[in-house]
Amino acid sequence: NAGVTQTPKFRVLKTGQSMTLLCAQDMNHEYMYWYRQDPGMGLRLIHYSVGEGTTAKGEVPDGYNVSRLKKQNFLLGLESAAPSQTSVYFCASRTDRDPGLAGGPIYNEQFFGPGTRLTVL
Amino acid sequence: QKEVEQDPGPLSVPEGAIVSLNCTYSNSAFQYFMWYRQYSRKGPELLMYTYSSGNKEDGRFTAQVDKSSKYISLFIRDSQPSDSATYLCACSPGGTSYGKLTFGQGTILTVHP
Repeated sequence: NAGVTQTPKFRVLKTGQSMTLLCAQDMNHEYMYWYRQDPGMGLRLIHYSVGEGTTAKGEVPDGYNVSRLKKQNFLLGLESAAPSQTSVYFCASRTDRDPGLAGGPIYNEQFFGPGTRLTVL
Repeated sequence: QKEVEQDPGPLSVPEGAIVSLNCTYSNSAFQYFMWYRQYSRKGPELLMYTYSSGNKEDGRFTAQVDKSSKYISLFIRDSQPSDSATYLCACSPGGTSYGKLTFGQGTILTVHP
């Protein structure tokens, strides 16, 4: 199993250019997430998906779009890149099994990809 | 103010030292408390998690949660150079939150021989 993979690993864009980051997982997970990581800010959720064909906004969605046309893939798009989008982007996936509303001691972890380092000049 | 606050350090300790990493949070709905470890230029990996208040031990690592004070801790005993990494605390309400996590800023730890 490859787990969670991300392409590309590195990219340099000029302001105004567009690009798509691809995340793929082979664990048959329902949930997938896109984060960005900036110095001193930790990981911040951009968008997430709870299943094929669904997407939802996270904490910092502006300037990004996503699509989940296939269960195993989650795409992150930048339509018009800005220097403020210079960051390291991580994708993660997780099973949808949960203890339910009552809670419980079992936690299903998010599995992360290796990241994409994006620089916008 | 962030929902989860973590001292970013950096923290530098000698090999064999006891390391204490801490976070505070503000959302009372959080029930799951995680510690992720991230090596340089890698993705985060789950180290430990705790459900509700209490302690959990795994080898040299101990996680503590005090929900009354909204305080999360990770202790590393007999620290090793291989423990050098960024440690991220994360919280989740569980239930119908779709597994969403709220992360702290991360603490950069260096253990020198």
